[in-house]
Amino acid sequence: AIQMTQSPSSLSASVGDRVTITCRASQAIRNELGWYQQKPGKAPKLVIYAASSLQGGVPSRFSGSGSGTDFTLTISGLQPEDFATYYCLQDYNYPRTFGQGTKVEIK
Amino acid sequence: VQLVESGGGLVQPGGSLRLSCEASGLTFSSSWMNWVRQAPGKGLEWVANIYSDGSEKHYVDSVKGRFTISRDNAKNSLYLQMNSLRAEDTAVYYCARDRDIMLMDVWYDAFDIWGQGTMVTVSS
Repeated sequence: AIQMTQSPSSLSASVGDRVTITCRASQAIRNELGWYQQKPGKAPKLVIYAASSLQGGVPSRFSGSGSGTDFTLTISGLQPEDFATYYCLQDYNYPRTFGQGTKVEIK
Repeated sequence: VQLVESGGGLVQPGGSLRLSCEASGLTFSSSWMNWVRQAPGKGLEWVANIYSDGSEKHYVDSVKGRFTISRDNAKNSLYLQMNSLRAEDTAVYYCARDRDIMLMDVWYDAFDIWGQGTMVTVSS
């Protein structure tokens, strides 16, 4: 199975900061990767698919990039509602695998 | 537009449980559907998925031979039959619709609709 490794595992940031989360795949996965946001006690929410395509209704401060093995999720101008845990998910092959998550906390 | 899971509960190790996920307001019969779980305090784990007509299914290795995913498009419902349950299967189980988007001849997963989750606890 493809292993997805996110870094950092957690970070503290302030409202208005630019935040970057990295996801690395154990083998090349082209651009077949999505990003999901999860708040405590809630179901995940799709943010990005195909590495860089923004899901409808998601603010444009979210962006994704990468191809091959290295991917990033960037939040430009962190807002209070963005404090959550973010997961990457590869859909290159089976089994689908998630990263371990990155918790974005308020500084 | 929603997915509603049911069927979770407390079960002894070695026991069985059947989860259901009922869809409304979406084109269920044309969608790949998934089960994703989350153990208490842990990250997300993809469990299984099933093609729109049920002809193709995939599982994570840890549940192969124990779990069976199925669907009934006439009832807009997805199921997960879980047998030989273990303590490590304890988790919130979510169903999720895959919008399955094609871009430049490549299909991409996009789990755009999720249920609220149902808790499964395996314990004696």
